[in-house]
Amino acid sequence: AQRVTQPEKLLSVFKGAPVELKCNYSYSGSPELFWYVQYSRQRLQLLLRHISRESIKGFTADLNKGETSFHLKKPFAQEEDSAMYYCALSGHTNAGKSTFGDGTTLTVKP
Amino acid sequence: GAGVSQSPRYKVAKRGQDVALRCDPISGHVSLFWYQQALGQGPEFLTYFQNEAQLDKSGLPSDRFFAERPEGSVSTLKIQRTQQEDSAVYLCASRQEGSNQPQHFGDGTRLSIL
Repeated sequence: AQRVTQPEKLLSVFKGAPVELKCNYSYSGSPELFWYVQYSRQRLQLLLRHISRESIKGFTADLNKGETSFHLKKPFAQEEDSAMYYCALSGHTNAGKSTFGDGTTLTVKP
Repeated sequence: GAGVSQSPRYKVAKRGQDVALRCDPISGHVSLFWYQQALGQGPEFLTYFQNEAQLDKSGLPSDRFFAERPEGSVSTLKIQRTQQEDSAVYLCASRQEGSNQPQHFGDGTRLSIL
């Protein structure tokens, strides 16, 4: 079975502070991992995926297979980063099924 | 081009009625997904199509739920004899072929069962 856990429902930081949104997963094979973001009154959209190894809007995420984690990090949070963030997993063995975490609401205070 | 389009945006139905939710994916996207999202939770997988073939329907909560994509493009999620616990946001997403490809989501249909 595949599972994604985001242990923090809510996360609040001040502008300019570092932020880390945690994501742990359970999957027996080699996973494809994603972070999606939903800004206020907008649809869910891709933020980044581990296969790309890119930084989007200053966010990075490293896949740690030993710890089965894919934490999202940004060194200096901005107010416009306030949103709901979802970690998601797709598996090679079952390419259709995607599993999402319950999300973390990030609030960046001025 | 246009993104994933879902209709209606909002649907209110009385318990016991049947409802149909429509999803128009991005043109050329082979894969199509339906999710159910309850308040305060992440999207829960319902079913997955590759072209017109429904390859996985393991997430459909009961036989009252039925999805189709007859021509490999537009998809319809139908819920028969609706119950109050069916109230949720129903999200549709489409994707190019490949599990490493990102999904593109619609705005969802907010279904309320009275």
